[in-house]
This record gives sequence, structure tokens and C-alpha cells, in this order.
Amino acid sequence: NAGVTQTPKFQVLKTGQSMTLQCAQDMNHEYMSWYRQDPGMGLRLIHYSVGAGITDQGEVPNGYNVSRSTTEDFPLRLLSAAPSQTSVYFCASSLEAGGLNEQFFGPGTRLTVL
Amino acid sequence: GQQVMQIPQYQHVQEGEDFTTYCNSSTTLSNIQWYKQRPGGHPVFLIQLVKSGEVKKQKRLTFQFGEAKKNSSLHITATQTTDVGTYFCVGYQKVTFGTGTKLQVIP
Repeated sequence: NAGVTQTPKFQVLKTGQSMTLQCAQDMNHEYMSWYRQDPGMGLRLIHYSVGAGITDQGEVPNGYNVSRSTTEDFPLRLLSAAPSQTSVYFCASSLEAGGLNEQFFGPGTRLTVL
Repeated sequence: GQQVMQIPQYQHVQEGEDFTTYCNSSTTLSNIQWYKQRPGGHPVFLIQLVKSGEVKKQKRLTFQFGEAKKNSSLHITATQTTDVGTYFCVGYQKVTFGTGTKLQVIP
């Protein structure tokens, strides 16, 4: 099993550009989520999905869109990048929603918006 | 909304000293998980606590969940350089990561 994979590992964008961060898992997990990590602030939940076709907003959803057309993939789209979106983005998955299963994290995408 | 605070934010210890990080929630939690993130890495699951007053041990690590299920602690006995990293608690009703404690171990 590859676990949770994320691409790209690094990305530099200009303000106003759009892009999609890719996330995939091969563990047949129902629950997937996106976090951003900023210095001194822990990880904050952006969006999550409890299964294919179902997504919901987390704590900091503004400026981001997600979709879940398959169990395996959960891409995160930045619609119009802003410097405030400079961060490290982690995708995670767990067997089910509900918080009683460990989360498996991808290696992260380091995004800089100029 | 639910907030989860951790103290201290940073801790430097000499190798062999003990280390403790504390996690405090503004609301009662259904369960709590602990993760470790090495520098430049991603969070890795350590343990989950579900029951009020629960204590679990993993070698030199001891985890506790408070009686009121609003606080938790992680204690490391005799730290080693391999313990370097940031330790996060994650509180669940609404999934909320703690602010993290960054541990530096001085050889």
C-alpha cells in the first residue's frame, strides 16, 4: 500500500492563479480531509468528506473547493490564490468518520503564494 | 466553538530528562488522539484515549485522559534525541488539533 499520496510536494503561485492539490489513498478509507498548517497554529481543517459524493466544510473553507467523485481521490482546488494561503497542506484519511479511527497523513504540499 | 490549547508551546530538555505536554479543551471531548510530527514531516498517530481517566503506556510514553474528558497529557520518561518533534493532541467532538508542543532534545 502506498498509503496517502499528495502531489505536488512544492508549489509557487502568483496571486490570482488557480491550482489543484491532488490527494489519493489506496486503503479504501471512507473519510478524507484537508488541513493547512501554519506556524504556531497546529493544523486547521479546511474540508472533509465522509464518502464518495459527500463533502462538507471545516474550520477554514473560504477560498477552497473540494470534490469526491471516487473513494480514492480527494482534490483540493484553490480558486484564486492569495498570499494568506501560503501554508503547508496535508491530506489525511481514516477508515470511517466519527473520530475513533487514526488518521493517516500524506507527506504534505508546501505552497507559496507571491 | 471548540478550542484545544497545548502547553508549553516549546520545550528544550537535556537528553535523559523527562518531558510533559498538556492539552486542554474548552468542551468535553468524546475521545482524544495524540500525533507526533518530526521536523519537515507529517503527523503520525501515536495513540487514542476514549475513557474518562484512561491511562495508556507505550514504552517511555505515558498518556492520560482527564476524568472530565476535557484535558490530557503526554509524559516522556528519559528523553532521547529520537523524541525530537512536535506533539499534537486532537480533540474530538468536532475534530480540533491542539496548537502543538515542539520538543527539542539537547544531546
